[in-house]
Amino acid sequence: LAKTTQPISMDSYEGQEVNITCSHNNIATNDYITWYQQFPSQGPRFIIQGYKTKVTNEVASLFIPADRKSSTLSLPRVSLSDTAVYYCLVVPTSGTYKYIFGTGTRLKVLA
Amino acid sequence: DGGITQSPKYLFRKEGQNVTLSCEQNLNHDAMYWYRQDPGQGLRLIYYSQIVNDFQKGDIAEGYSVSREKKESFPLTVTSAQKNPTAFYLCASSMDTVSNEQYFGPGTRLTVT
Repeated sequence: LAKTTQPISMDSYEGQEVNITCSHNNIATNDYITWYQQFPSQGPRFIIQGYKTKVTNEVASLFIPADRKSSTLSLPRVSLSDTAVYYCLVVPTSGTYKYIFGTGTRLKVLA
Repeated sequence: DGGITQSPKYLFRKEGQNVTLSCEQNLNHDAMYWYRQDPGQGLRLIYYSQIVNDFQKGDIAEGYSVSREKKESFPLTVTSAQKNPTAFYLCASSMDTVSNEQYFGPGTRLTVT
């Protein structure tokens, strides 16, 4: 299983774009990169998932370079309500199920 | 509304007592999971179930037990053998165990004194 490394915490101001990078050096060919968001005392919520290049949905973009050893979650124009913990996961699409949630990145958005 | 429910939201027990946490889903998902989260930490997998009447141990199964008699339900029992049961417990489900999107319940915060 590929291990992920993310910054422990980040601060940003409202209206700014936030980029959270995750490194996953041992990612396998069939693995997907998935990001979850968790607010205090709530369950995590799926944000976005990708395999390579760029994926965009209504809340975020995910950039994955060709070597797939890292990925960047981009949150456009954050607001106070984006203050949360963001988890990067490498998820296998075959074989034994295993999700590993690390400690994530604590994003604090300031007014 | 489809989703996952966990009850109760807060639970208090005395040391030495078994306690069962409820998890129900109406998403028609085959796979269900139980995680434990300690303050400032990520989630750790306790048990998972790919299908009714089948379940597998996760990373920290000792002191816990589960059952999966119905597709919709996956209760977790925290036994007296669990040395540090006080934690935030999260239940999740997904279409199957290779699906990349898990849906989480609101969690149960268990305090054992």
